[in-house]
Amino acid sequence: GENVEQHPSTLSVQEGDSAVIKCTYSDSASNYFPWYKQELGKRPQLIIDIRSNVGEKKDQRIAVTLNKTAKHFSLHITETQPEDSAVYFCAAWYNNNDMRFGAGTRLTVKP
Amino acid sequence: NAGVTQTPKFQVLKTGQSMTLQCAQDMNHNSMYWYRQDPGMGLRLIYYSASEGTTDKGEVPNGYNVSRLNKREFSLRLESAAPSQTSVYFCASSGTGGNTEAFFGQGTRLTVV
Repeated sequence: GENVEQHPSTLSVQEGDSAVIKCTYSDSASNYFPWYKQELGKRPQLIIDIRSNVGEKKDQRIAVTLNKTAKHFSLHITETQPEDSAVYFCAAWYNNNDMRFGAGTRLTVKP
Repeated sequence: NAGVTQTPKFQVLKTGQSMTLQCAQDMNHNSMYWYRQDPGMGLRLIYYSASEGTTDKGEVPNGYNVSRLNKREFSLRLESAAPSQTSVYFCASSGTGGNTEAFFGQGTRLTVV
């Protein structure tokens, strides 16, 4: 079945610095890769996604890159702010109706 | 527009008891999912339903059953709860095709003692 690996598990940065989270997936047929942000005690919410026909997508301070050949994708957050502190999950769709998540990255942005 | 609604928000069960977690969505989505979230393990798929009348096992289906009652509702049942099922459970829904945003319910924190 699909396997999604996510690194690092924890990440601490200074406010204003950049943060990068990386994921790899196992199923070459996967074609949709969302990223979710989960604040403490809240539900996961989509922050950005990318489809397999695109190599990079940007939304203000957040960007995602995809390398289909290597089967990895990354989340980049620039100019980090304390409100970016949360747990971030990558995911990959498997078999069109089965979404598998990475284990999560706890990002802490220090003021 | 409520999105995805789960009940209850909190539940404590004794080992061996049964219960059903309810989930309903009002976005006319075909696909619905149940995940469990444990510390350090992310979200693991228990069961999913690609459309009304169909259900399929995910990564960790043992000890659970599901029912896709209609297009709106997808319930998760624990027939005989075990301490290993202590977790936070999330229901989610998405459009058909596997390449659309999934929306999550607010979660159910279940403790089995």
